[in-house]
Amino acid sequence: QAQLVQSGADVRKPGASMKVSCKASGYNLKSHGISWVRQAPGQGLEWMGWITSYSGKTTYAQKFQGRVTMTTDTSTNTAYMELRSLRSDDSAIYYCARDMTNESGYETSAFDIWGQGTMVTVSS
Amino acid sequence: QSALTQPASVSGSPGQSITISCTGTSSDVGSYDLVSWYQQHPGKAPRVLIYEVTKRPSGISNRFSGSKSGNTASLTISGLQAEDEADYYCCSYVGYSTPVLFGGGTKLAVL
Repeated sequence: QAQLVQSGADVRKPGASMKVSCKASGYNLKSHGISWVRQAPGQGLEWMGWITSYSGKTTYAQKFQGRVTMTTDTSTNTAYMELRSLRSDDSAIYYCARDMTNESGYETSAFDIWGQGTMVTVSS
Repeated sequence: QSALTQPASVSGSPGQSITISCTGTSSDVGSYDLVSWYQQHPGKAPRVLIYEVTKRPSGISNRFSGSKSGNTASLTISGLQAEDEADYYCCSYVGYSTPVLFGGGTKLAVL
């Protein structure tokens, strides 16, 4: 059974960096891309970016460009998301999610497996 | 880019049907058949209900259905049940600088 397990909750100071891990099990990370989605307290979902499975190419939401880096380590089947220059409004639950492919193997821009979420609090 | 537009809340009685709309533009929802819908219960991760506008992943009840007309996608839930009370989000590929956008979310109350 495929699943994504994320690292635990974290507290960071403004200006610092954070790095969340997302370990895949039950499938090979190389077969599907991974997106990162965040959700501020009481707010909606916000797509941050994705990393493709085959080339490791990244595409980031314009809002996060220059501040975010997404990577994968295929030797450990783990994806990572680093966010720098943290502000208080970066406090959120961060999710990794598997990019879904359709019956023909094409990516659908949908997300079929989600990690459990990692709560990150940015506070001085 | 702005989020896709969803009603903040909808409500229905058990057994009824409700529809949640998701309005974008001719550059996003109107241009791609890559709309998906998610259900999120409090404190839980989202769960995909619909992908590619109308398709249901295995294990998703056929009470959930999706459609699209022009720049507006819709999620219909038929035979409402108490456990359907949750937040619902649409999502679409939009093709430009931020390729994926979510809607603002709709809270469904089952009265």
